[in-house]
Amino acid sequence: GAVVSQHPSRVICKSGTSVKIECRSLDFQATTMFWYRQFPKKSLMLMATSNEGSKATYEQGVEKDKFLINHASLTLSTLTVTSAHPEDSSFYICSALNAQGYNTGELFFGEGSRLTVL
Amino acid sequence: GNSVTQMEGPVTLSEEAFLTINCTYTATGYPSLFWYVQYPGEGLQLLLKATKADDKGSNKGFEATYRKETTSFHLEKGSVQVSDSAVYFCALSDHQAGTALIFGKGTTLSVSS
Repeated sequence: GAVVSQHPSRVICKSGTSVKIECRSLDFQATTMFWYRQFPKKSLMLMATSNEGSKATYEQGVEKDKFLINHASLTLSTLTVTSAHPEDSSFYICSALNAQGYNTGELFFGEGSRLTVL
Repeated sequence: GNSVTQMEGPVTLSEEAFLTINCTYTATGYPSLFWYVQYPGEGLQLLLKATKADDKGSNKGFEATYRKETTSFHLEKGSVQVSDSAVYFCALSDHQAGTALIFGKGTTLSVSS
């Protein structure tokens, strides 16, 4: 149980276009999901906390108008990179908090989505 | 604020060697501690966890003990395999409702045969 799936796993787009990444909790309901960004050879940077039915909470320095997050249902959160530029190229990873991990804080991670902006 | 510090990598070992990856943390209260592993091109997988002081998490031959007195959670394995080559992340959760994990910078392990 506690499977999180991301789609697409890889995407290549032209500069100036928008890209949507989906994150789904397949076998549990996730009221809270988190979006991380991973730079090459660096740690995971928390971008935002996504709460079902409310606006996402963004970390300092993350442009909320550029990285649009929508958490419309208990099993789906989406990250849209708007007007993407080469510097947005990165590995984006979502994670979800499952009730079974709630007391420990354990998160379940998607497979990640590698975005390449040409 | 809360933070996690991991030893700098990369760590390069021969097969069957002993592995230690150091991790120390700073936190208020009593966090849960985790080790996640990331294989090339993949997302993160939970390797092991400990939720209170003196707990030992273990999985796939890896172990880590939650040491409150030294604020540490070092990862160890007695005999590494080539298939253990990956990036290892130490992380903590401060148990506040709905908060994200705080990660260390990751340590790359390369095991050669």
